[in-house]
Amino acid sequence: NAGVTQTPKFQVLKTGQSMTLQCAQDMNHEYMSWYRQDPGMGLRLIHYSVGAGITDQGEVPNGYNVSRSTTEDFPLRLLSAAPSQTSVYFCASRAPTGFGYEQYFGPGTRLTVT
Amino acid sequence: AQKITQTQPGMFVQEKEAVTLDCTYDTSDQSYGLFWYKQPSSGEMIFLIYQGSYDEQNATEGRYSLNFQKARKSANLVISASQLGDSAMYFCAMRELGNAGNMLTFGGGTRLMVKP
Repeated sequence: NAGVTQTPKFQVLKTGQSMTLQCAQDMNHEYMSWYRQDPGMGLRLIHYSVGAGITDQGEVPNGYNVSRSTTEDFPLRLLSAAPSQTSVYFCASRAPTGFGYEQYFGPGTRLTVT
Repeated sequence: AQKITQTQPGMFVQEKEAVTLDCTYDTSDQSYGLFWYKQPSSGEMIFLIYQGSYDEQNATEGRYSLNFQKARKSANLVISASQLGDSAMYFCAMRELGNAGNMLTFGGGTRLMVKP
């Protein structure tokens, strides 16, 4: 099992550019989510999905879009990059049942917007 | 109000000593879970330990234990016999039944530095 994979690992964008951060998991997890981590801070939830075709907003959704066409993939789209979106982005997945199920994190994508 | 509060931005501990990292939480749910994650300088998020709100015993995983005081809404992480490899950021997180898709809410983290 590869677990949760994210591409790219690093990305530099200019203000106004768009891009898609890729996330895939091979554990057949229904629940997937995207978080951002700003320097010296904890993770904040951007968007999440509880199954294919079902997505919803988290704490900081503005400037981002998601879709979930398959169980495995959950891409995050930046519509028009802004310097405030400079952050490390983590994708995560977990099985849906119970509170104790561990959330598996990808290795992160470090994004810089200039 | 902050749902998860970690009041210690940074801490030092001598190698082989025990250390407690504080975490307080705020929820009106009866069913919730509390997690601790470690983030070394390489950046990955490593799951350490979990405590359910209905668990009567404090959770333990090797050198990690969670001091759960439900009435005080605290879930402190205790690391025994600190090692140099324990130097990292530590995050407390909570999952609530009624929270966005049962996703995690994180605290701001504590940076632990282990001195040789």
